[in-house]
Amino acid sequence: QVQLQESGPGLVKPSQTLSLTCTVSGGSISSDDYYWSWIRQPAGKGLEWIGRIYTSGSTKYDPSLKSRVTISVDTSKNHFSLKLSSVTAADTAVYYCARESYSSSSYLDYWGQGALVTVSS
Amino acid sequence: QSALTQPASVSGSPGQSITISCTGTSSDVGGYNYVSWYQKHPGIAPKLIIHDVTNRPSGVSNRFSGSKSGNTASLTISGLQAEDEADYYCSSYTGSSNVVFGGGTKLTVL
Repeated sequence: QVQLQESGPGLVKPSQTLSLTCTVSGGSISSDDYYWSWIRQPAGKGLEWIGRIYTSGSTKYDPSLKSRVTISVDTSKNHFSLKLSSVTAADTAVYYCARESYSSSSYLDYWGQGALVTVSS
Repeated sequence: QSALTQPASVSGSPGQSITISCTGTSSDVGGYNYVSWYQKHPGIAPKLIIHDVTNRPSGVSNRFSGSKSGNTASLTISGLQAEDEADYYCSSYTGSSNVVFGGGTKLTVL
């Protein structure tokens, strides 16, 4: 059974960089069959896809966040990471990592439990 | 790109059926058979309940079914149960190779 777990600071100051890591267990992040994705949900709002990475390091980001987002992968540690720069209060959200099908189906079948990140001074 | 359009809320009584719509464009919902649906209870990670418009993952109740016509996809829940009360989100693959979500629909079981 694949499991994902987010980790990282729960509080980030405005203008700084948010950093989260997602550790994958029960499966290899090097699999050819999946992307590894980040999604967020601000309080009281809907889900927002942030972006994805493939085992090769190839990435795709949502256009609205592209200028501030970096997703990277460390296959030796079986984890992938999210960096979001120049954060504001609008970036306060629960951040989820998830496994995304590599086919164009783009469905997210395994999710982490979520990590609340608050942007505040 | 804009979020897919879902009704803010729907409701139904136990045993009834409800349908949640998800409207996009020809660049996402209408252009591909790659619509997914997720069930989200408060404080719990989303759960995939439908992918590729109509397919249910193993373990998901057959009370959940999906369909699509043109630019609008639909999720139908039959035989409503109290535990179905949750938020439901659709998502679609897009022509830009991104994923776009709907705004979410709150289902209330009366």
